[in-house]
Amino acid sequence: SQTIHQWPATLVQPVGSPLSLECTVEGTSNPNLYWYRQAAGRGLQLLFYSVGIGQISSEVPQNLSASRPQDRQFILSSKKLLLSDSGFYLCAWSVQGQGGNTIYFGEGSWLTVV
Amino acid sequence: RKEVEQDPGPFNVPEGATVAFNCTYSNSASQSFFWYRQDCRKEPKLLMSVYSSGNEDGRFTAQLNRASQYISLLIRDSKLSDSATYLCVVIGNTGGFKTIFGAGTRLFVKA
Repeated sequence: SQTIHQWPATLVQPVGSPLSLECTVEGTSNPNLYWYRQAAGRGLQLLFYSVGIGQISSEVPQNLSASRPQDRQFILSSKKLLLSDSGFYLCAWSVQGQGGNTIYFGEGSWLTVV
Repeated sequence: RKEVEQDPGPFNVPEGATVAFNCTYSNSASQSFFWYRQDCRKEPKLLMSVYSSGNEDGRFTAQLNRASQYISLLIRDSKLSDSATYLCVVIGNTGGFKTIFGAGTRLFVKA
């Protein structure tokens, strides 16, 4: 069965510090990978998606970047965090299948920028 | 108009009640539809897919009306454990990229 792992689960970072969130998927090949952010009390915002190694698309301009160095690895980064980067970050994966691309989420990472 | 709109909520219902969530979408070319459940401070989890013919899973029934671009979720005999936020999800094409999440409707089931 497929599993998705995301870490760290919680982090508190000062403004201006770097960020690295990592996500790996097991049990599937060539998945679509996603990074979402959910601000407090808000809906999910798609930040990045990837259809393959080295292929990254950004949905919104922001202070963050993403990379996919391996087929099942997706990394979210920032060189200098802003207060507004605080939120719940979710990695997700999907594969084309019957009924469309069902999306499965990792357990999420809570980021507080102070 | 938002691409996916849900009832703003929250819904406060007693145990045993029937509750209905509604969702509308703007892209008539949308192909796939889902309901997700999100518990407080947790990741969203797939609750059920939504098919044109309607589908049922125990106490949960999902309906799709393509002509009206409308999706619904019905929960019968509400349990305390049903308390969560319910997210409507619409996928616009087969690429998997244009997956749009509604803002969610919070449900509180009380004893």
